[in-house]
Amino acid sequence: DTEVTQTPKHLVMGMTNKKSLKCEQHMGHRAMYWYKQKAKKPPELMFVYSYEKLSINESVPSRFSPECPNSSLLNLHLHALQPEDSALYLCASSQEIGTGVHEQYFGPGTRLTVT
Amino acid sequence: SQQGEEDPQALSIQEGENATMNCSYKTSINNLQWYRQNSGRGLVHLILIRSNEREKHSGRLRVTLDTSKKSSSLLITASRAADTASYFCATDRYSGAGSYQLTFGKGTKLSVIP
Repeated sequence: DTEVTQTPKHLVMGMTNKKSLKCEQHMGHRAMYWYKQKAKKPPELMFVYSYEKLSINESVPSRFSPECPNSSLLNLHLHALQPEDSALYLCASSQEIGTGVHEQYFGPGTRLTVT
Repeated sequence: SQQGEEDPQALSIQEGENATMNCSYKTSINNLQWYRQNSGRGLVHLILIRSNEREKHSGRLRVTLDTSKKSSSLLITASRAADTASYFCATDRYSGAGSYQLTFGKGTKLSVIP
């Protein structure tokens, strides 16, 4: 299984809502990532989890709260978002260092619209 | 911050022609990777070239790397309509605790006309 799955595919939420994005992989990868991608722009790294611990937070506002419940799951909790947070949110995973394999496997993304 | 800058931003070619995309970066790298993204979907890894390599092939893909010029190129030969997508270069660096951090370029949007 070389797939990263993300749910939901689409999400529309108001600025006062609380919602969560989910990501799952069963490739045994120990590094997982959240990216944000605006239209016609490249993905921008938000968070990195390694061995279920947060290793990088790229100065992301606290209205985005990541969580890694276990080595296969990655969540992104959303609260009090702004319309400018509307974007495609991509999850990715990669093998651990030492394997010599650096490629990241991406999920299909969640298209988020904040109204 | 953006590490890679792709050139051109958009490219339109006829099916069967070759497509060349270029990428420049600013700092020293371990590896440079190329990814493809179909409209509004996830990215798919295409090829990785290490900093001590100059050229690499994979099927219809050919990647070159010139570390002295801090640039790379991706050549797709005998293009097909199904190659229509955005192509991104990405530099990777170790980010600690067993993970690698990718920094993507702006991307080239390739349209292959049947």
